[in-house]
Amino acid sequence: GAGVSQSPSNKVTEKGKDVELRCDPISGHTALYWYRQRLGQGLEFLIYFQGNSAPDKSGLPSDRFSAERTGESVSTLTIQRTQQEDSAVYLCASSLRGSSDTQYFGPGTRLTVL
Amino acid sequence: AQSVTQLGSHVSVSEGALVLLRCNYSSSVPPYLFWYVQYPNQGLQLLLKYTSAATLVKGINGFEAEFKKSETSFHLTKPSAHMSDAAEYFCAVRRGNQFYFGTGTSLTVIP
Repeated sequence: GAGVSQSPSNKVTEKGKDVELRCDPISGHTALYWYRQRLGQGLEFLIYFQGNSAPDKSGLPSDRFSAERTGESVSTLTIQRTQQEDSAVYLCASSLRGSSDTQYFGPGTRLTVL
Repeated sequence: AQSVTQLGSHVSVSEGALVLLRCNYSSSVPPYLFWYVQYPNQGLQLLLKYTSAATLVKGINGFEAEFKKSETSFHLTKPSAHMSDAAEYFCAVRRGNQFYFGTGTSLTVIP
């Protein structure tokens, strides 16, 4: 399909384990966002990639969270030593050129930390 | 700091009735404002956006929103609700590269 895809759709892990969440943006989109949505709350900005520029990491909640993006393709969000408060839906979005363009969201990864 | 407040986490309307979903923002300057919709088991999609052009913005599926600077509001409306409008609606504001989302309003349409 032509949309943003994320994998896995669901992830259950034990407290203390590391997890990797993957996002495949729409082909040709240079900008990519990660958000976290806790139950009953709005989306929280985590990180923003734009082309080859240094990413805006100002939304990452702790040093346990990191993200990478290879060029203008796949991005991986890694959470180390997961905690129960990390349980949330993690959403990825991409846009054509940058923050002024429409974001297209993926279906999200639901992370549950036991 | 940028924030948006959505009044009412749940709204129920009868089919054919007016839909009004409220959003207020806090900003010292007019921001870029958005409404997104999330249908069950689908990703968020853009309904409409305000970018300092016309204050009344028309979006998809018959929705529109009016930017009112004096009230710092950007409420979403639709004259006549359809069953297919049942979804979660999010108001958002953009400053720079960051987007700030409200907590969402779940719309139920009663037949």
